[in-house]
Amino acid sequence: AIRMTQSPPSFSASTGDRVTISCRASQGIATSLAWYQQTPGKPPQLLIYAASTLQSGVPSRFSGSGSGTDFTLTINRLQSEDFATYYCQQYYNYPRTFGQGTKVEIK
Amino acid sequence: QLQLVESGGGVVQPGRSLRLSCAASGFTFSGYAVHWVRQAPGKGLEWVAVISYDGTFRKYADSVKGRFTISRDNSKNTLSLQMNSLRAEDTAVYYCVRDASGFGEVYFDYWGPGTLVTVSS
Repeated sequence: AIRMTQSPPSFSASTGDRVTISCRASQGIATSLAWYQQTPGKPPQLLIYAASTLQSGVPSRFSGSGSGTDFTLTINRLQSEDFATYYCQQYYNYPRTFGQGTKVEIK
Repeated sequence: QLQLVESGGGVVQPGRSLRLSCAASGFTFSGYAVHWVRQAPGKGLEWVAVISYDGTFRKYADSVKGRFTISRDNSKNTLSLQMNSLRAEDTAVYYCVRDASGFGEVYFDYWGPGTLVTVSS
């Protein structure tokens, strides 16, 4: 199975900050990567697919980049509703695998 | 609007069985692959199983292979997960999730609210 490793596991930030979350795959996955946001008590929501394509309705302050094994999720001008846990996921092959999550907390 | 609503969760003893269902509405259910993804309390996400739009392709995580069976009824817009020989480590919220393709080739674009399964004596 492809192992997905996110960093950091958690961090604190302030509203208005620019934040970056990294995701590394244990083998090349081209751009078969998605990012999800999850707030407590809710299911995950798709933010980005194909490594850099914004899902319809997702604010443009979210962006994704990368290919192969290294990927990044960037949030510009962090808003209060962005404090959540973020997961990367590969859909290059089965079994589908997720990173362990990155929790963004309020400083 | 598009909805996926899971049901059937509850408390079950180790070794027993449980059947989860997912009712889909607001889209052409028969055109999409669907998955089950679970999340243990306080933990991350774990993919469980997938079934293609027509039921011809099914795949399982190693952790549930031989114990869980995914199925669908396109005439009733329903997805099911039959879970046998349940273990404590199967305790989780189970999400019904739509794949953006018919054969389960891409990302998950819609998630249900989930149903909690607790395996405990």
